[in-house]
Amino acid sequence: SQQGEEDPQALSIQEGENATMNCSYKTSINNLQWYRQNSGRGLVHLILIRSNEREKHSGRLRVTLDTSKKSSSLLITASRAADTASYFCATDNNSQFYFGTGTSLTVIP
Amino acid sequence: DTAVSQTPKYLVTQMGNDKSIKCEQNLGHDTMYWYKQDSKKFLKIMFSYNNKELIINETVPNRFSPKSPDKAHLNLHINSLELGDSAVYFCASSPQRTGQGYTFGSGTRLTVV
Repeated sequence: SQQGEEDPQALSIQEGENATMNCSYKTSINNLQWYRQNSGRGLVHLILIRSNEREKHSGRLRVTLDTSKKSSSLLITASRAADTASYFCATDNNSQFYFGTGTSLTVIP
Repeated sequence: DTAVSQTPKYLVTQMGNDKSIKCEQNLGHDTMYWYKQDSKKFLKIMFSYNNKELIINETVPNRFSPKSPDKAHLNLHINSLELGDSAVYFCASSPQRTGQGYTFGSGTRLTVV
């Protein structure tokens, strides 16, 4: 299965701290994407990193990709209570697109 | 205005009924999708349409039938609903099959009783 797996499943931090989530996948990919899902809402696209890229930044988000280890990480710096959500990685291999199992992040004010 | 809109937002129905969920996108995207999210938040792709043509049909019971009258719409019809169909169904679209982020609708929570 192409499905990614996020780790940890749940993460609870204090506001202002950094949050790191990891994603591992099984086969070669074209790109990897991270999404956020607030409770009861649809998924929101955060960032896309291509297989030939190693790191990408967007605001307080930093994504790394290690294709040799088939893993990616999402770092949220200076977390805010509004960052509380579930975060999913999704892998794209040009024919299929699979979501991971998600990390539930709680940022405590 | 919502870019990908699904209706209804909530749907409660009895076992054995037939129901439809509608999805429309005004982004001009070529590809649309239906995903099912279960109670453990696992997202599984069900169908993918590119310019009204079916390109992905995962292992989904025949009771589920997608219909795409044009590339801006992808509706999901479900026959003979079962308890296990209870989930949140998300519609999504992307500019092309791959290489781009998806835009998701806000979901339809289906409860079969």
